[in-house]
Amino acid sequence: QQQVKQSPQSLIVQKGGIPIINCAYENTAFDYFPWYQQFPGKGPALLIAIRPDVSEKKEGRFTISFNKSAKQFSLHIMDSQPGDSATYFCAASRSNDYKLSFGAGTTVTVRA
Amino acid sequence: DAGVTQSPTHLIKTRGQHVTLRCSPISGHKSVSWYQQVLGQGPQFIFQYYEKEERGRGNFPDRFSARQFPNYSSELNVNALLLGDSALYLCASSQRAYPYNEQFFGPGTRLTVL
Repeated sequence: QQQVKQSPQSLIVQKGGIPIINCAYENTAFDYFPWYQQFPGKGPALLIAIRPDVSEKKEGRFTISFNKSAKQFSLHIMDSQPGDSATYFCAASRSNDYKLSFGAGTTVTVRA
Repeated sequence: DAGVTQSPTHLIKTRGQHVTLRCSPISGHKSVSWYQQVLGQGPQFIFQYYEKEERGRGNFPDRFSARQFPNYSSELNVNALLLGDSALYLCASSQRAYPYNEQFFGPGTRLTVL
C-alpha cells in the first residue's frame, strides 16, 4: 500500500522552464514532507522540507506548495537548468515516527 | 565533513546465499535507517536503529536483520537471497530517531542476485 502517490512519472522541460511534481497522501497524521533529489548511482539527497503549518516554502530555485485540506503538496523548480536533471522523490512521515514513506519518483529532464 | 558511507558499492550473489551490508553514519548521528530501492521505485523502509536498539521495522520478511554497534555503525544482513532482493540498499543517518526525522542518505550498495 503506497501511502504517498507521486505524479508524473517523468517529464521533460526546456532550460528555464518550471517542472512541477505533485504528491498526494491519505494519512492525516503525516506532518513532515521532505523532497529528495537523486542522481544516477547516488543516494537521495534532501532538497527541501515543509511542515503543514505553512503553505509555501522556498529555498533557492526550489519551492514547495502545501495544501493541507486537499492533502497534496508539490515541488516547483524555477528557472530549471540541465544540472537539475535527476529523479525527485516526495516523502512523508509523522513527527513521532521513524520512517519515511516515499513516492515512486519523478524523472525530470531539462534540455539545454 | 564525511557523509554517510556504505560498503561494498556493488555486490553480486546467487540465490540462497547470505549477504552483509555495512554503513557508517555521519559523525554525531545516533540513528541509522535502512531502505530498499528497487529499480524505478522509491525507497522502502526496512529498519531503524537508534542508540543500538531497533526502533522500527518495515514490511520485510525475517530473512532481513540488522544491528547497530557501539560506534553507531550498522550492518544489514539478508539470508537465503531471492532474485527479488536485487536492489539498491540505502543507509540513512540522522541525529535522532524523531521528530521531523531529517535523514541523510549514503550512496547505497547495489545488490544483484543471480
